[in-house]
Amino acid sequence: SQTIHQWPATLVQPVGSPLSLECTVEGTSNPNLYWYRQAAGRGLQLLFYSVGIGQISSEVPQNLSASRPQDRQFILSSKKLLLSDSGFYLCAWKYLAGQYFGPGTRLTVT
Amino acid sequence: AQTVTQSQPEMSVQEAETVTLSCTYDTSESDYYLFWYKQPPSRQMILVIRQEAYKQQNATENRFSVNFQKAAKSFSLKISDSQLGDAAMYFCAYRRVSRGAGGTSYGKLTFGQGTILTVHP
Repeated sequence: SQTIHQWPATLVQPVGSPLSLECTVEGTSNPNLYWYRQAAGRGLQLLFYSVGIGQISSEVPQNLSASRPQDRQFILSSKKLLLSDSGFYLCAWKYLAGQYFGPGTRLTVT
Repeated sequence: AQTVTQSQPEMSVQEAETVTLSCTYDTSESDYYLFWYKQPPSRQMILVIRQEAYKQQNATENRFSVNFQKAAKSFSLKISDSQLGDAAMYFCAYRRVSRGAGGTSYGKLTFGQGTILTVHP
């Protein structure tokens, strides 16, 4: 069966520090992958999506970037975090007509 | 651009009773999917139910059912025999049908702002 992993589960980082969040999927190949951010427990905002290795599309301009170095790995990064980057980050993969989500990473920028 | 609106920031229901969560959407597409997701306190997003726009029959999953009104662009979720474990934030979501290799939708979901459901014992 297919599963999706995210780590770390929780992260506290100072302003100006770098960021790397990882998402991996098991049990499928060449999945469409997505990064969402949820701020203040409301609404999910799509940040990036990827349809294959090295293919990244950005939905909104921001301080973050994404990469897909392997078929089932999707990474969210930042060179210098801002306070506004705090939130809950969810990775998802497209399955049939829907999307299935990972457990998420709670990021607090201090 | 497609938009999804959930007009009820919070709802409450007594255990064992029925509650309906509202959702409206705006699109110029004729073929699409609609979803309800549940986000409990753990914050894991869980797919509750899915509706294909081309199907007139409303989707059902055990105690969960939808009222899909395509002309009105309305997609409500009914939870019957509410249980304490149903307490969560519920999100309505929209997705265009993928257009294949030349398409641009890539399965992206557009979410509403969510409705917090409280279940009273």
